[in-house]
Amino acid sequence: IAGITQAPTSQILAAGRRMTLRCTQDMRHNAMYWYRQDLGLGLRLIHYSNTAGTTGKGEVPDGYSVSRANTDDFPLTLASAVPSQTSVYFCASSADNSGANVLTFGAGSRLTVL
Amino acid sequence: GQNIDQPTEMTATEGAIVQINCTYQTSGFNGLFWYQQHAGEAPTFLSYNVLDGLEEKGRFSSFLSRSKGYSYLLLKELQMKDSASYLCALMDSNYQLIWGAGTKLIIKP
Repeated sequence: IAGITQAPTSQILAAGRRMTLRCTQDMRHNAMYWYRQDLGLGLRLIHYSNTAGTTGKGEVPDGYSVSRANTDDFPLTLASAVPSQTSVYFCASSADNSGANVLTFGAGSRLTVL
Repeated sequence: GQNIDQPTEMTATEGAIVQINCTYQTSGFNGLFWYQQHAGEAPTFLSYNVLDGLEEKGRFSSFLSRSKGYSYLLLKELQMKDSASYLCALMDSNYQLIWGAGTKLIIKP
């Protein structure tokens, strides 16, 4: 079934540890995104990639890094996790980044930093 | 700056009609989206409006007025499975999505 796979589904992490959230899509979409979702707030864009080999910073990029070595994969790394990074993280993709830009989301990764 | 407002929570009765409003302020506009998100799940696309007017898709319709900075999602013949959060999202001049905090819709029998 075409879509986006995220891993892990859930993780508890000690502060200061490094963590990579994985995201893979099989729809050959050009654009990919990482969002975090916190209670009472809208989805906030962390990083994005309009095409393989390029990345850009979103609204809340500090403490996070991404890479886009190929079309399918877009991992998100927390170099040194802090409690404020406790959140639900959604990876999403779209065919491109133009107007009628329908996003397909992964199931989410729930991260708790203690 | 840019801002999106939608009610935090609404309650409606099974079989009824509910209208979820979304107001926004932006300097650039490339469309407005509605997504549905069931608890613990990923958002899924419902509708996209870029021109003024009503777009109907089955039991769901979405309306846009660009001059008023206003959109609404209309859900008819409500079913229990419609209990979810409904997210309004604005596409700005840089083709980035700005998301509202979502409206949690509770359907009662």
